[in-house]
Amino acid sequence: GAGVSQSPSNKVTEKGKDVELRCDPISGHTALYWYRQSLGQGLEFLIYFQGNSAPDKSGLPSDRFSAERTGGSVSTLTIQRTQQEDSAVYLCASSFELGNSPLHFGNGTRLTVT
Amino acid sequence: QKEVEQNSGPLSVPEGAIASLNCTYSDRGSQSFFWYRQYSGKSPELIMSIYSNGDKEDGRFTAQLNKASQYVSLLIRDSQPSDSATYLCVKQDDKIIFGKGTRLHILP
Repeated sequence: GAGVSQSPSNKVTEKGKDVELRCDPISGHTALYWYRQSLGQGLEFLIYFQGNSAPDKSGLPSDRFSAERTGGSVSTLTIQRTQQEDSAVYLCASSFELGNSPLHFGNGTRLTVT
Repeated sequence: QKEVEQNSGPLSVPEGAIASLNCTYSDRGSQSFFWYRQYSGKSPELIMSIYSNGDKEDGRFTAQLNKASQYVSLLIRDSQPSDSATYLCVKQDDKIIFGKGTRLHILP
């Protein structure tokens, strides 16, 4: 079946603009995760969803970041008033359930803020 | 102590040799562990999962888990240049904790 799909694959935006990143998880996967990875760095956890609920938002870097998930499926990560330090690859992953299920990653969205 | 620790490397191994990647973790009660491989510029992909003490083999890969000593390792036999990547150790219970990864370089 189809894997995790993310769009756009690349996004260049001007500082101060808002951006919206989309993630379409594997069908039937209840858990969805957002990570950020700067060049040469490890994965930075942002937020996860169990169904449409996000129990832990503590990983979001600032109040400019928000995320939602609807219908237990597609998720969007929104960054308002983008800053240059927001430039990174944003990775989405899904898993069958929380706990012991492995994560399946999308190809990521490379965000560049100029 | 960090929750999941890995040597960042790079670890250089001659082609055909065994590559040994190690990971230690801090929570003795942790149950589930995964190894992911990440090529430069690509997303992580699952290599192996391990939940019980002992060894688990899959082709050229063997994962080892020792809960008493709180370490998990990944052995890659007959290393190939295509194995050159960053390997991420992941501890997964109610939280998912990624290690920083070990860069592996297979020397042709």
